[in-house]
Amino acid sequence: EAGVTQFPSHSVIEKGQTVTLRCDPISGHDNLYWYRRVMGKEIKFLLHFVKESKQDESGMPNNRFLAERTGGTYSTLKVQPAELEDSGVYFCASSQSGTGVNYGYTFGSGTRLTVV
Amino acid sequence: GNSVTQMEGPVTLSEEAFLTINCTYTATGYPSLFWYVQYPGEGLQLLLKATKADDKGSNKGFEATYRKETTSFHLEKGSVQVSDSAVYFCALRAGGGNKLTFGTGTQLKVEL
Repeated sequence: EAGVTQFPSHSVIEKGQTVTLRCDPISGHDNLYWYRRVMGKEIKFLLHFVKESKQDESGMPNNRFLAERTGGTYSTLKVQPAELEDSGVYFCASSQSGTGVNYGYTFGSGTRLTVV
Repeated sequence: GNSVTQMEGPVTLSEEAFLTINCTYTATGYPSLFWYVQYPGEGLQLLLKATKADDKGSNKGFEATYRKETTSFHLEKGSVQVSDSAVYFCALRAGGGNKLTFGTGTQLKVEL
């Protein structure tokens, strides 16, 4: 089966611009997660979707970040306007309904965002 | 709150050397513990896990034992290969949710 796919793999934007990251989970996976690794630091949780609903968005840093998951399929993460400290690698992961990190939690290869 | 501390990298070893990457944690209750690995250009992959005290997780020659008394989950391998070169992340899940708390990652480079 296809894995978790993220687009783009790299993005370089100027401060103040808008960027939209996309994640296509494994088909049939109801759970979708976003994480971020900033400048070689720890990977931090951003939010968790169950189908199209936000189950936990406690990790979203501020209101410049907007995540959506239309129809419970792919998800987008928009940063508007981008700031320098938003630079980092954004990871998406998915898992089947009823399972989580102890079982089938699959990560994508990440989107490297650089804000200049 | 929950946190994971792992040793700073990069770690450079010769092939067939013994590897230890230290990981300690702070968490409420009894967390599940994980090691993830990221090979160049790829996503994070679950390497091994342990869900209760004294459990040993193992995979691909790597091992880690859940030590509750020292709140540690150190990663070990007896003989590393060049193909083990990657970034290794220690992580935990505490409470009833699916959220992972990660360490900062340790880059391993294995040379011939």
